[in-house]
Amino acid sequence: GAVVSQHPSWVICKSGTSVKIECRSLDFQATTMFWYRQFPKQSLMLMATSNEGSKATYEQGVEKDKFLINHASLTLSTLTVTSAHPEDSSFYICSARGTLRGTDTQYFGPGTRLTVL
Amino acid sequence: GNSVTQMEGPVTLSEEAFLTINCTYTATGYPSLFWYVQYPGEGLQLLLKATKADDKGSNKGFEATYRKETTSFHLEKGSVQVSDSAVYFCALSDSGGSNYKLTFGKGTLLTVNP
Repeated sequence: GAVVSQHPSWVICKSGTSVKIECRSLDFQATTMFWYRQFPKQSLMLMATSNEGSKATYEQGVEKDKFLINHASLTLSTLTVTSAHPEDSSFYICSARGTLRGTDTQYFGPGTRLTVL
Repeated sequence: GNSVTQMEGPVTLSEEAFLTINCTYTATGYPSLFWYVQYPGEGLQLLLKATKADDKGSNKGFEATYRKETTSFHLEKGSVQVSDSAVYFCALSDSGGSNYKLTFGKGTLLTVNP
């Protein structure tokens, strides 16, 4: 079964509103969580890396005031797209790094489809 | 910077056909290489990995060999099944074998027909 969940799986919002996406690790504690963005027929692009209880580290070109990341606990990270615009429409994927069944690895969520009208 | 180039799809095969999905990379140092698979409606799953030159990763009948001289990590399977239909991503990490902070290729959609 899934070890990382995302909610919602899809969301449609109006331009100018903010949208929050949750990423949860199930059955393990995630020391690090990652947020990726994927455009159609494109690679997954890493947006930011977050560690529980500390500020996220953003990749070059990613606006930290636009994409707010909160890693409040070892099982939950949230990505908030603030004042969303149509160009923010994309597929957002999180992943969580931790130890599950004795193996240190990275598990991916199923993704969230964001459409901004 | 790091980059991964993989064969563009879609790839359509008949059941029991041989599969190759090409992947080449550009990286500084000695990256670890991965293949991830994404089944419809699910998250990416690690399929196999190799952490140093000449290593062969294998899982579920899939294989890929880390070729430093050609900077390649091609995915192969001798006989595909309908259940192998998915999107396959080649990726690299320059952070040892801990497979975090990944650089991905664009993904290749594989469809296997009965």
